[in-house]
Amino acid sequence: AQSVTQPDIHITVSEGASLELRCNYSYGATPYLFWYVQSPGQGLQLLLKYFSGDTLVQGIKGFEAEFKRSQSSFNLRKPSVHWSDAAEYFCAVDDTDKLIFGTGTRLQVFP
Amino acid sequence: SAVISQKPSRDICQRGTSLTIQCQVDSQVTMMFWYRQQPGQSLTLIATANQGSEATYESGFVIDKFPISRPNLTFSTLTVSNMSPEDSSIYLCSVELGDVPFFGSGTQLSVL
Repeated sequence: AQSVTQPDIHITVSEGASLELRCNYSYGATPYLFWYVQSPGQGLQLLLKYFSGDTLVQGIKGFEAEFKRSQSSFNLRKPSVHWSDAAEYFCAVDDTDKLIFGTGTRLQVFP
Repeated sequence: SAVISQKPSRDICQRGTSLTIQCQVDSQVTMMFWYRQQPGQSLTLIATANQGSEATYESGFVIDKFPISRPNLTFSTLTVSNMSPEDSSIYLCSVELGDVPFFGSGTQLSVL
């Protein structure tokens, strides 16, 4: 069965520090991959997506992610975190018109 | 992108009652999706709703508990029936545009 693993449940970083959130997937074909962010009590906002082509994709709010087929990974990165980035981050893979989500990573940012 | 409006945004309900959640999209879409996010958990697909046909439910979800309507290409409702405290969750509506899933702001349901 298709699955998505986010190994880090909770990450704490200082404002201005770099960030990398890990995501590993299990999928038989070429995956469609997504990163979403959820602020408390809110819905999901799309940060970026990967369908094909360039394996380094740029998203909104200064985020980027790199698709590595050999490692079945799609890690999310940001060079300098802002306090407003504190939220829950979800990685997801599209499995024939439905999304399979990881368990999420909660990001806490200290000033 | 799509503008997806969900109502209500939150509600507190008594056990045994039912709540209907509405989802309105600003463009016509073939499929609409309903997800559940239990407290502290990730999202799980409840069902997929196509206009003019019965919804397709995922394993563990049944029509009697979560009836869905899809009267046209821009609107859908999800009803949570005979609620219990275990139904306390965020319920989210989703649509795909250009193979990209977009989500509404969700309905936060608390069942007492």
